[in-house]
Amino acid sequence: QKEVEQNSGPLSVPEGAIASLNCTYSDRGSQSFFWYRQYSGKSPELIMFIYSNGDKEDGRFTAQLNKASQYVSLLIRDSQPSDSATYLCAVRFTGGGNKLTFGTGTQLKVEL
Amino acid sequence: GAVVSQHPSRVICKSGTSVKIECRSLDFQATTMFWYRQFPKQSLMLMATSNEGSKATYEQGVEKDKFLINHASLTLSTLTVTSAHPEDSSFYICSAEQATNEKLFFGSGTQLSVL
Repeated sequence: QKEVEQNSGPLSVPEGAIASLNCTYSDRGSQSFFWYRQYSGKSPELIMFIYSNGDKEDGRFTAQLNKASQYVSLLIRDSQPSDSATYLCAVRFTGGGNKLTFGTGTQLKVEL
Repeated sequence: GAVVSQHPSRVICKSGTSVKIECRSLDFQATTMFWYRQFPKQSLMLMATSNEGSKATYEQGVEKDKFLINHASLTLSTLTVTSAHPEDSSFYICSAEQATNEKLFFGSGTQLSVL
């Protein structure tokens, strides 16, 4: 069974610090990777997507993909209290059509 | 990003009734929509994939006769929870794929509470 694994947390970081969120996946041939942010009681919101090995930066967010090691991470620089949420990693597995498989999410708490 | 509208946002109903949830892509055409269910503090679980003009594809363990999905147009998909029971109480979220870039955008979700 194809899986996406995340540490459930909570991950606590002080305001202004870098938050690092990690995700591993089981299918080496996967091509598309996504990070979503979900506030309590709300639906997920797309933050980043990455297809190629290496880093992809968008504002305070950087997604990192290492296909050889089968992990994808999300870095949040200058963390703000408003970044406190659950971050979901999602992978589009090969042979799965256009379905996304989600990890269980990591809860991030940014403390003042 | 693209906008996906989902209604209603919250439903409270009696056991045995049916509930219909609508999902619309407002500014793009979505040939494929997905329906997820999320229990508290758990991740999203895909229920079914809805393709315009054809029958939905259900995930293993999801009862197709209980969760009726209709994708009548390129911008509208509906999920009907038939004869709802308390164990069906959950957060139901639809999503639509923007064909041009494979990104998935979510509706605002429907919190269903069955008494």
